[in-house]
Amino acid sequence: SAVISQKPSRDICQRGTSLTIQCQVDSQVTMMFWYRQQPGQSLTLIATANQGSEATYESGFVIDKFPISRPNLTFSTLTVSNMSPEDSSIYLCSPRDGADNTQYFGPGTRLTVL
Amino acid sequence: AQSVSQHNHHVILSEAASLELGCNYSYGGTVNLFWYVQYPGQHLQLLLKYFSGDPLVKGIKGFEAEFIKSKFSFNLRKPSVQWSDTAEYFCAVIGDTGRRALTFGSGTRLQVQP
Repeated sequence: SAVISQKPSRDICQRGTSLTIQCQVDSQVTMMFWYRQQPGQSLTLIATANQGSEATYESGFVIDKFPISRPNLTFSTLTVSNMSPEDSSIYLCSPRDGADNTQYFGPGTRLTVL
Repeated sequence: AQSVSQHNHHVILSEAASLELGCNYSYGGTVNLFWYVQYPGQHLQLLLKYFSGDPLVKGIKGFEAEFIKSKFSFNLRKPSVQWSDTAEYFCAVIGDTGRRALTFGSGTRLQVQP
């Protein structure tokens, strides 16, 4: 299984600022997904990030608010822009194993917006 | 579009009791099914997965799940729970077309009392 690390692990930010979350995987993966897990809730898919193409966003999520980069097969970033308290959540990147459809998860980034 | 329903939101059991958590999915084609577990303060871990073949799949820590295609179900079972099984359990599905990311159910919080 893939080993995933994210930076920062947690942060407390002020309203109106932006935060970029980095996701590093220890192996090359074609498909990378970004999820949000709000307190006490399940995981909601934000977008799919494949290397060499624009990210595909789910309904309710837009590129201006959550720009994503995928410069290579082991790395991706998600930026949470112009933050509000409603963005307080855990953000997780999830690579998918190329051999099957299994997705793996790391510890995520716990974001608190004041 | 694919969707997942977990009807048990909070389950409380005594140690040694048997466990069955319900999971039903909605999708018209071929599916891959997963159960993930999230222990308190930890990240999501894969418990087991079903791709094809024997509909009864065994996972880690004594868990198993049965895929019943006619009922669109993938219930999780364990014959005898332990206090250490206290966690949040998520059922997830991925279909063979369209969105190629996992769709999660709302989760079931299991509390095992010693």
